[in-house]
Amino acid sequence: KAGVTQTPRYLIKTRGQQVTLSCSPISGHRSVSWYQQTPGQGLQFLFEYFSETQRNKGNFPGRFSGRQFSNSRSEMNVSTLELGDSALYLCASSFSLQGASGANVLTFGAGSRLTVL
Amino acid sequence: GQSLEQPSEVTAVEGAIVQINCTYQTSGFYGLSWYQQHDGGAPTFLSYNALDGLEETGRFSSFLSRSDSYGYLLLQELQMKDSASYFCAVRGGNAGNMLTFGGGTRLMVKP
Repeated sequence: KAGVTQTPRYLIKTRGQQVTLSCSPISGHRSVSWYQQTPGQGLQFLFEYFSETQRNKGNFPGRFSGRQFSNSRSEMNVSTLELGDSALYLCASSFSLQGASGANVLTFGAGSRLTVL
Repeated sequence: GQSLEQPSEVTAVEGAIVQINCTYQTSGFYGLSWYQQHDGGAPTFLSYNALDGLEETGRFSSFLSRSDSYGYLLLQELQMKDSASYFCAVRGGNAGNMLTFGGGTRLMVKP
């Protein structure tokens, strides 16, 4: 079956602009999580969506937002971009909520690499 | 909150065995996972330990000691393709129980 698909793969924006990233999870997976990956901070949790509801949110400013659609596809938006937002944004899907029992394996997409100039 | 510590870099030669350690602090604990990420690639799941002991999956094994808040990933018969970053991740007892990742260990396998 198809993996997690993220679009766009690469994008360049300037400070003050906004960006929307898209994630299509594995078919049948209802949980979508977003992570920001930077060389200095590693993988940091942004938020998790399950059944169109945000279930958990990491420690990021309100400029970072997201949503999930009825087909489990998810988008995240970053408004008023700052230079520090340059990062690889990873989306991961899983069958159940991260808080569910078991291994709760995350399947990651290849990421969207955002460069803010 | 949760925090994880793992070495930033490890170097080993082809055919050798390498151990990547991970110590964690969490208010609750539901399991320790390991993910592999090649440069430019997506992290991929390797293993999961919820109970103490060793889990073996081919050349890779993962160990957990809950009393020591410690785990490790053991890679045997190293191959050049094992050069990658390895992340430990813990699911803890805070709200949501989302995965918190360590900073990653960059493994370089030399011929």
